[in-house]
Amino acid sequence: DIQMTQSPSTLSASVGDRVTITCRASQSISSWLAWYQQKPGKAPKLLIYKASSLESGVPSRFSGSGSGTEFTLTISSLQPDDFATYYCQQYNSYSLRCTFGPGTKVDIK
Amino acid sequence: QVQLQESGPGLVKPSQTLSLTCTVSGGSISSGSYYWSWIRQPAGKGLEWIGRIYTSGSTNYNPSLKSRVTISVDTSKNQFSLKLSSVTAADTAVYYCARGDSSGSDYWGQGTLVTVSS
Repeated sequence: DIQMTQSPSTLSASVGDRVTITCRASQSISSWLAWYQQKPGKAPKLLIYKASSLESGVPSRFSGSGSGTEFTLTISSLQPDDFATYYCQQYNSYSLRCTFGPGTKVDIK
Repeated sequence: QVQLQESGPGLVKPSQTLSLTCTVSGGSISSGSYYWSWIRQPAGKGLEWIGRIYTSGSTNYNPSLKSRVTISVDTSKNQFSLKLSSVTAADTAVYYCARGDSSGSDYWGQGTLVTVSS
């Protein structure tokens, strides 16, 4: 059973900061990793899929990298709209289950 | 534009079965290589994947819920459904439905709150 961890759990940052969130899988998931942004009271929004592919319409300040067991989400210059909680998810059609990481809350410093 | 909408009772009694339906509009549930998922989120907590169904009828479930979960699809109504039996207060959560494929889960419903209480 694949477990996902994220660090940090909370991140305090200022507008304009470069922000990096790490997601680790308990075993290799190749590049089958997605990143989601969730704001209070809203459904999650897909940002990145296949570890590094930017979803259509998502600002280019968001980027993803990694493969195997270690992945990162980077926001190059944090904007006011980016204060939210971010989740990674391992997924693929060959895995018997998908798993979300516990989330990283990005709040205002 | 694909849209998903959850529907079902907002209040379920303990030990009963929670039943939710997700209606897909703006596209056929049978088209493409998609799977259709249920995800839940207790208040103030993270996302928990419940399971998914392909239009072939093939399903995958979260092992921690597998004994209580059934996901089914009705292609004629462009809907898929969730049944969770023997519910307890721990099943109180916002329940989301979503569409997924090899590019992640790109369309989500707005979520529906289900409270388990007598």
